Amino acid sequence: GNSVTQMEGPVTLSEEAFLTINCTYTATGYPSLFWYVQYPGEGLQLLLKATKADDKGSNKGFEATYRKETTSFHLEKGSVQVSDSAVYFCALLASGTYKYIFGTGTRLKVLA
Amino acid sequence: ETGVTQSPTHLIKTRGQQVTLRCSSQSGHNTVSWYQQALGQGPQFIFQYYREEENGRGNFPPRFSGLQFPNYSSELNVNALELDDSALYLCASSLELNTEAFFGQGTRLTVV
Repeated sequence: GNSVTQMEGPVTLSEEAFLTINCTYTATGYPSLFWYVQYPGEGLQLLLKATKADDKGSNKGFEATYRKETTSFHLEKGSVQVSDSAVYFCALLASGTYKYIFGTGTRLKVLA
Repeated sequence: ETGVTQSPTHLIKTRGQQVTLRCSSQSGHNTVSWYQQALGQGPQFIFQYYREEENGRGNFPPRFSGLQFPNYSSELNVNALELDDSALYLCASSLELNTEAFFGQGTRLTVV
């Protein structure tokens, strides 16, 4: 079946450090891939997405590239800020299906 | 354009009681999905409604039921509440089937 695996957290970084959060997936066909962010006490906000192989999604300095050959969609940011502290979820929407499959989330804590 | 709104934001119920959670979809969206997010976990798909009909269901017991109204707003009903039903319940609406979902802020349900 379809699944998403994320690196376990928490990830603790100093401000301006480089961020990578790994995400790999298992799915039939060509799913769309997403990163969502959840701030404390809030719902999910779409951070970025990619709908086909080699697409790069980007937003607010975050980037992720859809790698079909490695079934990965790793999230990166060159210089994190304290305000980036949140939980990040990788998710897929398999083609022809109706439900998102989420990873377990990775908590990021950025220290000033 | 208003986003997805959910009510109430927080709720405390006693084991065995029944609860109704409400969701107003984003303007023009005819598809609504509900997810349960337990503490420290990723969201899990409960079910989806498309044009007032259930379109798919996750691995949840029948005491989880739903409705979608002609204006495409939706309700999630849970009967015979159990302690493990304590979670954040997220509603997401989409313009059409298999398109990007936009999430609400969620309803945090605590069962005591």
